[in-house]
Amino acid sequence: DQQVKQNSPSLSVQEGRISILNCDYTNSMFDYFLWYKKYPAEGPTFLISISSIKDKNEDGRFTVFLNKSAKHLSLHIVPSQPGDSAVYFCAASAGGSEKLVFGKGTKLTVNP
Amino acid sequence: DAGVIQSPRHEVTEMGQEVTLRCKPISGHNSLFWYRQTMMRGLELLIYFNNNVPIDDSGMPEDRFSAKMPNASFSTLKIQPSEPRDSAVYFCASSLSGGKEKLFFGSGTQLSVL
Repeated sequence: DQQVKQNSPSLSVQEGRISILNCDYTNSMFDYFLWYKKYPAEGPTFLISISSIKDKNEDGRFTVFLNKSAKHLSLHIVPSQPGDSAVYFCAASAGGSEKLVFGKGTKLTVNP
Repeated sequence: DAGVIQSPRHEVTEMGQEVTLRCKPISGHNSLFWYRQTMMRGLELLIYFNNNVPIDDSGMPEDRFSAKMPNASFSTLKIQPSEPRDSAVYFCASSLSGGKEKLFFGSGTQLSVL
């Protein structure tokens, strides 16, 4: 049973447009959420995070939105660039735990 | 900083053989994690250590899997005997504990069990 779900295995977007990656979670104890980005043959790298006391966090072209009532978060990339093409993992943790639960990932392709 | 270093990068072995994956965390980090990535299950946590002590090994799939952290700068993940279904990418990650810290991942070991 996946506690963190990324239901879209892949997403294709045109350069300059917005990319929206979605993530749902089932565990109501999760209170901290992160997005990681992974290029082929490399390990995932941290991208952006959000605490459950917020509903939005922005860092440059990247914004994460959290809807606690729906147990849903999304990552917006505006504008999308070809270098953003990668696999994006959503992750969550509960109660200060170091343990992160990851989703299966969404492969984003940004076409020039 | 060299980051988290994993070896080997690729491992091809035959079913029944012992496999040992190695990890050197970032200096000063006191938490270490072993993850496995497969198409079916994504990134799943196998085990993690804090100050060299195993904290949660609930993700270790079977007794064939074991992990050790003899000191702050080295950890191993061993599979004995290996099976084809163990084929995956194994990642080691480290972090500073004490909060919701970000993980720093190594480049992974691609394991193929024939």
